[in-house]
Amino acid sequence: DAKTTQPPSMDCAEGRAANLPCNHSTISGNEYVYWYRQIHSQGPQYIIHGLKNNETNEMASLIITEDRKSSTLILPHATLRDTAVYYCIVSRVTGANNLFFGTGTRLTVIP
Amino acid sequence: KAGVTQTPRYLIKTRGQQVTLSCSPISGHRSVSWYQQTPGQGLQFLFEYFSETQRNKGNFPGRFSGRQFSNSRSEMNVSTLELGDSALYLCASSSGQRGYGYTFGSGTRLTVV
Repeated sequence: DAKTTQPPSMDCAEGRAANLPCNHSTISGNEYVYWYRQIHSQGPQYIIHGLKNNETNEMASLIITEDRKSSTLILPHATLRDTAVYYCIVSRVTGANNLFFGTGTRLTVIP
Repeated sequence: KAGVTQTPRYLIKTRGQQVTLSCSPISGHRSVSWYQQTPGQGLQFLFEYFSETQRNKGNFPGRFSGRQFSNSRSEMNVSTLELGDSALYLCASSSGQRGYGYTFGSGTRLTVV
């Protein structure tokens, strides 16, 4: 599975959009981009995933560049409850499903 | 619908003992994966089961094993516990279809003393 690179930490003002970048320059054609987040001491929570098109759901938007080498997770109106570690993961479409978590980005939403 | 249920939530064991952790996936999910989370190593994949068969395995010693039952419930076992096995053990389930996300349980916090 391709490796990902994320900034270790970011701050965001409450109510503003949080834009979390992820680099996955070695991604291959059969790999999805997944985003999960983990609030302290809880299990990771699935946020969104995509293959090559931009995706949006009730939690967030995922913007994937045309060459698929990077992506951005957007939380449109960050709240204090969005403070968490955010993981960007690429995972194969075929073969076994297992997720390789990196160190993620610790997002702190500031009042 | 009910989420992923892991039992017990907390566990304290002594070095050398063995432990069995349980995971009940979301109804209808056939894939169950196990992860270990420690402050030093982060989240690491242990193994995945699909329809009672181990489909993939992470880089852990043979002391870590698992199984899945016909109702998709899964157990993982750690034998001859070491202090370094103290961790949060997380179970995740999915439908097993490619490209679908996993739902994680709240985990079992294992402390080895």
